[in-house]
Amino acid sequence: EAQVTQNPRYLITVTGKKLTVTCSQNMNHEYMSWYRQDPGLGLRQIYYSMNVEVTDKGDVPEGYKVSRKEKRNFPLILESPSPNQTSLYFCASRLAGTDTQYFGPGTRLTVL
Amino acid sequence: RKEVEQDPGPFNVPEGATVAFNCTYSNSASQSFFWYRQDCRKEPKLLMSVYSSGNEDGRFTAQLNRASQYISLLIRDSKLSDSATYLCVVKNRGSTLGRLYFGRGTQLTVWP
Repeated sequence: EAQVTQNPRYLITVTGKKLTVTCSQNMNHEYMSWYRQDPGLGLRQIYYSMNVEVTDKGDVPEGYKVSRKEKRNFPLILESPSPNQTSLYFCASRLAGTDTQYFGPGTRLTVL
Repeated sequence: RKEVEQDPGPFNVPEGATVAFNCTYSNSASQSFFWYRQDCRKEPKLLMSVYSSGNEDGRFTAQLNRASQYISLLIRDSKLSDSATYLCVVKNRGSTLGRLYFGRGTQLTVWP
């Protein structure tokens, strides 16, 4: 089944404890993105990647890192999480030359 | 100014009603337009693309007015299952790495 998977789906952590949210897609998509969604603010793009080893900042990249070492994986790294990073995170992927974006199921992160 | 603006609602309508959502975009060079649907706490999914000539998919009709930089979604004969948040999405011509810009969403509740 074609899909985007994220892990973990739910995470409660404490300030300063490094964490990684994994994202994987099995559709051989070139484009991958990370978004965060907060009430009243909608979806905001954190980082995106056009292909392996090609990444760029979105609208709200502060406090996040990403890497794209393989085409299928695009992990989101929070080196030192803070409470203002409590949010619902979505990974998404898209095939080059097409417009349909496929989203993962979301990761609900709480930083205490 | 945000790339995409939507009335957040909420819209509360009875079953069988017709409801319309509007969206404006700021970049006159915008190229592609879409409506995504997002159920509570779930990932967004593509509902339909919006074409210059307007297009219809069952009870859903999407319209684009390039002169006014305005997109609309009309839902006829509303069903309980239409309750969701509807996201207006724009892709700009030549946008870096094919970025999509999401509106904050319009919340719809259909009641029996």
